[in-house]
Amino acid sequence: SQQGEEDPQALSIQEGENATMNCSYKTSINNLQWYRQNSGRGLVHLILIRSNEREKHSGRLRVTLDTSKKSSSLLITASRAADTASYFCAAAQTGANNLFFGTGTRLTVIP
Amino acid sequence: NAGVTQTPKFQVLKTGQSMTLQCAQDMNHEYMSWYRQDPGMGLRLIHYSVGAGITDQGEVPNGYNVSRSTTEDFPLRLLSAAPSQTSVYFCASSRGSWRQGASDTQYFGPGTRLTVL
Repeated sequence: SQQGEEDPQALSIQEGENATMNCSYKTSINNLQWYRQNSGRGLVHLILIRSNEREKHSGRLRVTLDTSKKSSSLLITASRAADTASYFCAAAQTGANNLFFGTGTRLTVIP
Repeated sequence: NAGVTQTPKFQVLKTGQSMTLQCAQDMNHEYMSWYRQDPGMGLRLIHYSVGAGITDQGEVPNGYNVSRSTTEDFPLRLLSAAPSQTSVYFCASSRGSWRQGASDTQYFGPGTRLTVL
């Protein structure tokens, strides 16, 4: 399987704290994407980082990418209870239309 | 805009039955995809389409057929359902492809929860 791995599988923090999730993937990529999924819902695109970028910011989100280690991290700063969800990374394989999703991190933010 | 819509929301089938999962989008997107999501796993790509009349296989295509006769619709057909196809199915669309550095956002439908007995 080409699926990626995410670490940790579950994370529980207090509101206001920062949350960091890590993703490892197996293929060479064009870009890596992060998605959020609320329970029982479809995925919502959060941010995309290209293979030639090392860091990207969007609001309270910060994504890093290390293609030499085939890994990425998502940092959510000043977390809110509404951030409670599952977060998935997805690696866009070079030269193909395959998008390989990680296994997800379940984040719980306690008010 | 309704975005990406999927029907039905829930479905129970018996082994061997066939059915079609419907997906439609009203954003005039060229790219559409079908994924399945199993417990404890990320989404896996089943089939995708880069435009009307053009489809291709993803990571787990066996047991599924697709067609794309219009830009708006991308149905997924299960020809002979098996218990291993019990899953939640998501359809997604995007203006362009995520390959080659394109940065087009994928929009996901709400999903169809399928149980095969």
